[in-house]
Amino acid sequence: LAKTTQPISMDSYEGQEVNITCSHNNIATNDYITWYQQFPSQGPRFIIQGYKTKVTNEVASLFIPADRKSSTLSLPRVSLSDTAVYYCLVGDPAGTALIFGKGTTLSVSS
Amino acid sequence: DTEVTQTPKHLVMGMTNKKSLKCEQHMGHRAMYWYKQKAKKPPELMFVYSYEKLSINESVPSRFSPECPNSSLLNLHLHALQPEDSALYLCASSQDLTDTQYFGPGTRLTVL
Repeated sequence: LAKTTQPISMDSYEGQEVNITCSHNNIATNDYITWYQQFPSQGPRFIIQGYKTKVTNEVASLFIPADRKSSTLSLPRVSLSDTAVYYCLVGDPAGTALIFGKGTTLSVSS
Repeated sequence: DTEVTQTPKHLVMGMTNKKSLKCEQHMGHRAMYWYKQKAKKPPELMFVYSYEKLSINESVPSRFSPECPNSSLLNLHLHALQPEDSALYLCASSQDLTDTQYFGPGTRLTVL
């Protein structure tokens, strides 16, 4: 599975847009990019998944450039409740289960 | 119903005890997973079941014994654990091995 690299932590203020970038230089042709959110002492929650270009849902957007060696999770207008750890995962959906990287701890202040 | 439930929420056990963790889902998912998460670390995969058969065992010590009695239920039997096994144990399920995983809230295990 492709190894991912994310910033260890990020700080933001309420109402701002937050972009978290994940590097995955060794991504394979069949690999998808998936992001999860995790609050303390809770299970990870699926946010978004994509293969290329841009994917948007009611929670976030995922931007993937043409070379797919990186991806950016965009959270519009964050609130205090978005304070969490965000994991970027890369893997072949037809392969084995998820391998989590170190994640990015996002802290949102008022 | 889009929920994965886990019981108990908290468990404290001694090193000589035998206990079990339970995970249940009623989404018709055919793949189920156990993960272990230590404090401030990412979840680590332990076991994967697909169609009630053990698909992956990530070299987990035999003191952890998974069981999948039916497609909705996944157990993790614990015996002779060590204090370093204290962690949050997460269960997840997905439609199949290629689909998005949905996680339960976890069981906080403390081994004394």
